[in-house]
Amino acid sequence: GAGVSQSPRYKVAKRGQDVALRCDPISGHVSLFWYQQALGQGPEFLTYFQNEAQLDKSGLPSDRFFAERPEGSVSTLKIQRTQQEDSAVYLCASSDSGQGFSAFFGQGTRLTVV
Amino acid sequence: GENVEQHPSTLSVQEGDSAVIKCTYSDSASNYFPWYKQELGKGPQLIIDIRSNVGEKKDQRIAVTLNKTAKHFSLHITETQPEDSAVYFCAATTGNQFYFGTGTSLTVIP
Repeated sequence: GAGVSQSPRYKVAKRGQDVALRCDPISGHVSLFWYQQALGQGPEFLTYFQNEAQLDKSGLPSDRFFAERPEGSVSTLKIQRTQQEDSAVYLCASSDSGQGFSAFFGQGTRLTVV
Repeated sequence: GENVEQHPSTLSVQEGDSAVIKCTYSDSASNYFPWYKQELGKGPQLIIDIRSNVGEKKDQRIAVTLNKTAKHFSLHITETQPEDSAVYFCAATTGNQFYFGTGTSLTVIP
């Protein structure tokens, strides 16, 4: 595709619900990143994939957060038993380098937990 | 871990003037410094980047300078236009994890 595509753009979840956020990276990009952006703040790292391998998940805030990229392309970020503090914009980025150089971001998914 | 500080948090300039945003970082091992522009409701857009083996890089009206000794880097926008109005983020990385600054809201007044 022309850019990084994320879906849905907006998601409202009741507290305790599970959600799944999808990221379609730029075709051929080996590196994929997930970031969380709170209102008025810079993005904060969640996790990183190189192809299908999750090489760094140090930013995931709790074991309720889980990410996968089973075939090395599309990735899904899953949040179980959502809580109000999970409300944020979730950004996905991809890069054709193994180190994230020239990473391009998608438009994000705005998650609101009520 | 890395700590990136960004100043100012808000910046207003007259159209045609220059804008400068400054960032400092703490980890001397950081080797890549991208700048992103984020408009309301959109994802961050990469506008320029610099690697640690380069001191300055320019792309039309946008330039970035890096001082490795002092551990700071700056974004310079010349001849600002109203469409430059947005939030700008600096970032630093030693590898795969970007550490972002807290952002600068730039307003260009026509």
